Amino acid sequence: AQSVTQPDIHITVSEGASLELRCNYSYGATPYLFWYVQSPGQGLQLLLKYFSGDTLVQGIKGFEAEFKRSQSSFNLRKPSVHWSDAAEYFCAVTSGSARQLTFGSGTQLTVLP
Amino acid sequence: DAGVIQSPRHEVTEMGQEVTLRCKPISGHDYLFWYRQTMMRGLELLIYFNNNVPIDDSGMPEDRFSAKMPNASFSTLKIQPSEPRDSAVYFCASSLRTVNTEAFFGQGTRLTVV
Repeated sequence: AQSVTQPDIHITVSEGASLELRCNYSYGATPYLFWYVQSPGQGLQLLLKYFSGDTLVQGIKGFEAEFKRSQSSFNLRKPSVHWSDAAEYFCAVTSGSARQLTFGSGTQLTVLP
Repeated sequence: DAGVIQSPRHEVTEMGQEVTLRCKPISGHDYLFWYRQTMMRGLELLIYFNNNVPIDDSGMPEDRFSAKMPNASFSTLKIQPSEPRDSAVYFCASSLRTVNTEAFFGQGTRLTVV
């Protein structure tokens, strides 16, 4: 069965600092990988996705993620965090045969002024 | 398109009452998903439909939960009777038929069972 691990429950960074959120997946087939962001009281918004091709994908709001098959990882990065980035971030995986998303447990991001 | 629309946004009900959550997917989307989010269990898939047909309901917790999709533009998730442990945020999401596409989420229904 597919699974997603986000080892960091909570991360705190200062505004302007760089950010990396970790995500590891376990899946036998070629995965389709996603990062979603959830602001308080809101639904989930897609930041970026990886299906194939270039392993470094760009998303909205200045985020990027790199797919590393050898490490089964899909870490999310941003060079300079803004206060408005404070939210919960979810990594998710699916495949061509399984349409439903399997989510990680989420990482709560706090941004200090 | 207005996106995935869920109603109500908030629901407070007494234990034992029937609760119905509603979802309108994005027009043209073939897949519809119901997720539940709790602090303890995170985001869990309850059930999903393809072309209005339930494909996988293995995530439905028990017989008190049921979901229907009578047409392409409407789905319901019903809990009868409701229990305090059903308190959670319930999300509906939809996606296109093609494989390499993401799911679009509604804003969720926050259910509190007292």
